[in-house]
Amino acid sequence: KNQVEQSPQSLIILEGKNCTLQCNYTVSPFSNLRWYKQDTGRGPVSLTIMTFSENTKSNGRYTATLDADTKQSSLHITASQLSDSASYICVVSSNYNQGGKLIFGQGTELSVKP
Amino acid sequence: DVKVTQSSRYLVKRTGEKVFLECVQDMDHENMFWYRQDPGLGLRLIYFSYDVKMKEKGDIPEGYSVSREKKERFSLILESASTNQTSMYLCASSLSRSSYNEQFFGPGTRLTVL
Repeated sequence: KNQVEQSPQSLIILEGKNCTLQCNYTVSPFSNLRWYKQDTGRGPVSLTIMTFSENTKSNGRYTATLDADTKQSSLHITASQLSDSASYICVVSSNYNQGGKLIFGQGTELSVKP
Repeated sequence: DVKVTQSSRYLVKRTGEKVFLECVQDMDHENMFWYRQDPGLGLRLIYFSYDVKMKEKGDIPEGYSVSREKKERFSLILESASTNQTSMYLCASSLSRSSYNEQFFGPGTRLTVL
């Protein structure tokens, strides 16, 4: 069964600190993996996308890694800001041309405190 | 910028009512999707559409129907609303069938069925 598991479920950190969110997947065949950020009351917004051959991708203070052998990904946030408080969702796409159907993780709720 | 809009941010309906949720995208995207998002369950796909007048069932289509009469508009219909359909509903669109295309989400409609 295709699944995406994220950890931790929730995380509280102080402003300025770094953090790492984890994503394990059992999706096959694998096409690509995205990390989405969802602010409270808003729709998710894509942060990064990685394919099988990519093992790291950065977007400002966000750096995603992918280990396709162990089927694990992480999202590292550097020098956190209050605006980073959001839900972070790991999303895996199974097939190249299946209309973009996605398998969603349950998300990690990040709270950045001053 | 891609813009996906949803007709209502908040909606309160009574059990048995017929409910229409409207979604409009302004980037001439081929694909449109309806999801529901519940705590602890993540996003789940209800229906999607590759083209005008085409629709396909997602993972949880029971109790829902959809309509796509124009390329830019995708409607979700609850024929007879029930309390277990209380949820956040998210619409999304993507350029084409390729799984590499980002799905752009609307702000969501929080539906409460009493």
